[in-house]
Amino acid sequence: GAVVSQHPSRVICKSGTSVKIECRSLDFQATTMFWYRQFPKKSLMLMATSNEGSKATYEQGVEKDKFLINHASLTLSTLTVTSAHPEDSSFYICSATRARADTQYFGPGTRLTVL
Amino acid sequence: AQSVSQHNHHVILSEAASLELGCNYSYGGTVNLFWYVQYPGQHLQLLLKYFSGDPLVKGIKGFEAEFIKSKFSFNLRKPSVQWSDTAEYFCAVKGGGATNKLIFGTGTLLAVQP
Repeated sequence: GAVVSQHPSRVICKSGTSVKIECRSLDFQATTMFWYRQFPKKSLMLMATSNEGSKATYEQGVEKDKFLINHASLTLSTLTVTSAHPEDSSFYICSATRARADTQYFGPGTRLTVL
Repeated sequence: AQSVSQHNHHVILSEAASLELGCNYSYGGTVNLFWYVQYPGQHLQLLLKYFSGDPLVKGIKGFEAEFIKSKFSFNLRKPSVQWSDTAEYFCAVKGGGATNKLIFGTGTLLAVQP
């Protein structure tokens, strides 16, 4: 149990376009989902925390208007990178928890390349 | 602010060698501690976690970690590594309170040579 999927696994887009990444909990209801960004040879950096039905909480330095997060149901959260630029190219990973004190279960990640 | 340090960025071992990866955290309160593993091309998987109780925690695939509160450490160990243990290992800490946020270390890349 506790499987998290992400779609797409990789995406290439042109500068200025928007890209939506989906994160789904397949066999459990995720009260909280997290979005991370992983740079090459660096750790995961938490971008935002989203609770179902409420606005996401963004980490310091993360532009909420650029990285739109929607957590409309207990099994789906989406991250939209708006007006993407080459510096947004990265590996985006989501995770989900079943309850406040639960372990985070991670998705396989989405490789975004902005040309 | 919480932080996590992993001092070994890249470790190379031969099969059957013993492994210890260091993890130190800075947080004065109650913490939950985790080790995650990321095999090549795969997603992060939980190896083991410490919430409370016995400070020696056993995880999957023969890994264990010891929480030493006085040293703010949570080192990962395995007595005999295999080639299949080649992966990147991340230590993470979650502080007390309502938040479920994880703070990750920078990771240690382990390469096991056959």
